[in-house]
Amino acid sequence: ETGVTQTPRHLVMGMTNKKSLKCEQHLGHNAMYWYKQSAKKPLELMFVYSLEERVENNSVPSRFSPECPNSSHLFLHLHTLQPEDSALYLCASSLNLAGGPYFGPGTRLTVL
Amino acid sequence: AQKITQTQPGMFVQEKEAVTLDCTYDTSDPSYGLFWYKQPSSGEMIFLIYQGSYDQQNATEGRYSLNFQKARKSANLVISASQLGDSAMYFCAMRVLGDDKIIFGKGTRLHILP
Repeated sequence: ETGVTQTPRHLVMGMTNKKSLKCEQHLGHNAMYWYKQSAKKPLELMFVYSLEERVENNSVPSRFSPECPNSSHLFLHLHTLQPEDSALYLCASSLNLAGGPYFGPGTRLTVL
Repeated sequence: AQKITQTQPGMFVQEKEAVTLDCTYDTSDPSYGLFWYKQPSSGEMIFLIYQGSYDQQNATEGRYSLNFQKARKSANLVISASQLGDSAMYFCAMRVLGDDKIIFGKGTRLHILP
C-alpha cells in the first residue's frame, strides 16, 4: 500500500463505547497529524507528532487520546464521546514539520 | 496572527472554462509555504500544489497553477480547462516555517456544469 491509510472508513458508536481509529503512512514521513472536520467548520488541528513525540495538543478534550508507537502509525483512542464529536477525522503525515501534509481518506465518525 | 481567507463559499463554472479560486493570507513571518487541497465528496484531502514564499516563479502542476502575488498576500489557484471531476471543495492552507501548525481556510465549493 502507498500513501496514508486510515481504518475504519466509517464508524458508528454509542456514547459509552471505546473505539480506536488507526492511521498508517507508507511515505517515510516523520510527522503525523490528526485533524477534525465538522460540517461548516474549518479543519481543526487536534494533535501533532514529530518523531513519535507529541508536539501539539490543540486543547482537545481528554475523551480523545492519541498514540504514536512509531513514525508510521498513529492512533486516536475514543472514549465516552458526545454526539457533537460526530465528524470526519483525517490523519495526515509530512516529511517533517516544515512540509505540507498528505492526508488519508478519513474516518467518518457518528456518535449516537 | 496567521490567517487564511477564502471569500468564495461556492462557485459554478461551465465545463472547459478556466477557474480562479481566491485565497489571501496574513502573516508577518517572511518564511512560509502555501498549499492547495481538493476534497471530493468522498472526503479525502488531495494535495494539489505548493508555493514557497521565496519561490521566484509561480508553481504549476498540470492543469493547476498558483497565482502568487506576495505583495498583495494572495495565492489564487487557477484551474485551466475545467472538467466535471474538478467539482469538489478546495482548501487553501499556509504553514509558517518552524511552526507545527498548518492553517486552513474555510474552503470554496466548486461546481463544474456540463
